[in-house]
Amino acid sequence: QQQVKQSPQSLIVQKGGISIINCAYENTAFDYFPWYQQFPGKGPALLIAIRPDVSEKKEGRFTISFNKSAKQFSLHIMDSQPGDSATYFCAAGNSYNTDKLIFGTGTRLQVFP
Amino acid sequence: DAGVIQSPRHEVTEMGQEVTLRCKPISGHNSLFWYRQTMMRGLELLIYFNNNVPIDDSGMPEDRFSAKMPNASFSTLKIQPSEPRDSAVYFCASSYPGTGSTNEQFFGPGTRLTVL
Repeated sequence: QQQVKQSPQSLIVQKGGISIINCAYENTAFDYFPWYQQFPGKGPALLIAIRPDVSEKKEGRFTISFNKSAKQFSLHIMDSQPGDSATYFCAAGNSYNTDKLIFGTGTRLQVFP
Repeated sequence: DAGVIQSPRHEVTEMGQEVTLRCKPISGHNSLFWYRQTMMRGLELLIYFNNNVPIDDSGMPEDRFSAKMPNASFSTLKIQPSEPRDSAVYFCASSYPGTGSTNEQFFGPGTRLTVL
């Protein structure tokens, strides 16, 4: 019940295309859903996050869509660029335990020119 | 301001040897996390501390792993004895009390451990 399932494992997108990464969770106590971006040789860094009181959050080309009833959330990268090539992790946490995050297994995104 | 500092960045050791990984969190952060990253299992939380106290060590794989946080600016993760299956990238992360109810974690650059 603590798991966060992420798909796909890898994704290849052409420059200008839309990249979509999906995550699902079971624990209804989760109320915080961040996405982290990791470049090769670096640690993950927070990209964007959402709470379940909204169904969508947009920051530039990055959008999180959240479906509370389905217990699913996804990251959409519009107009994907080669510089977006990285590994993306979804995660989930809850306000009762504010520190701990459960991470998905990661999606390696490659954007080709 | 310096981010999370980890040392060493790379460690190659032989099976059976003791390995110590070090972490200096961002000043003012009161939570510290140790993660292990592998291709097969992704990013796994091993243990986390709050105000230097271990809160959750349920992710520590076995007794060969131990972690300490003697003060707010230093933590160690020790593996004794090390085994080839411990080969992975180990990340340290820290967070601070924010205005929201959940705190952003800031990751260090990681230590790539290879056990031969």
